[in-house]
Amino acid sequence: DTEVTQTPKHLVMGMTNKKSLKCEQHMGHRAMYWYKQKAKKPPELMFVYSYEKLSINESVPSRFSPECPNSSLLNLHLHALQPEDSALYLCASSPGVPTLTAGYGYTFGSGTRLTVV
Amino acid sequence: DQQVKQNSPSLSVQEGRISILNCDYTNSMFDYFLWYKKYPAEGPTFLISISSIKDKNEDGRFTVFLNKSAKHLSLHIVPSQPGDSAVYFCAARAQIIFGKGTRLHILP
Repeated sequence: DTEVTQTPKHLVMGMTNKKSLKCEQHMGHRAMYWYKQKAKKPPELMFVYSYEKLSINESVPSRFSPECPNSSLLNLHLHALQPEDSALYLCASSPGVPTLTAGYGYTFGSGTRLTVV
Repeated sequence: DQQVKQNSPSLSVQEGRISILNCDYTNSMFDYFLWYKKYPAEGPTFLISISSIKDKNEDGRFTVFLNKSAKHLSLHIVPSQPGDSAVYFCAARAQIIFGKGTRLHILP
């Protein structure tokens, strides 16, 4: 299995809803990432998990709450979102977090297209 | 302020010719550069990377060139094929920055 699977592919939610995005990989990767991509913009890093521990939080608002229950799963819990949070949310994984001597290409999922109404 | 810049939003190249995609960066601490390809409705796909200790990396039709003094890298695709039509992202990462260290002495 060489894929990162994201569900759902599309999500429409109201500003008072609570929803979760899910990401799964079975490649034995120990680093997982959440990115946000707005239209015609590059993906922006939100969170990095390394060995199931949150290692980087790029000043993301608390209405986004990541969770890594095990080495294969990464969730993004959403609550009280704003319409401007509508975007494509991409999950990625890599064998490890890049170090001074080893860089890794990331494997990305197809994303969840989120619309906040 | 964007540290990685791709100044050409689009590029048109005839099939069989060379495609050259350019990328500039501002942070001299970047030590690893990657190119990703993205089709509509799909996530980015890793294409090729280059470490800052090299100035060229080749993989089949894809070659990445790095000019550290100019803080510039480019992706060459030769020959270009219709399936290459996609959005290409340039990406970079910075090395870990170390402090001066603390020597710990454990006394008996």
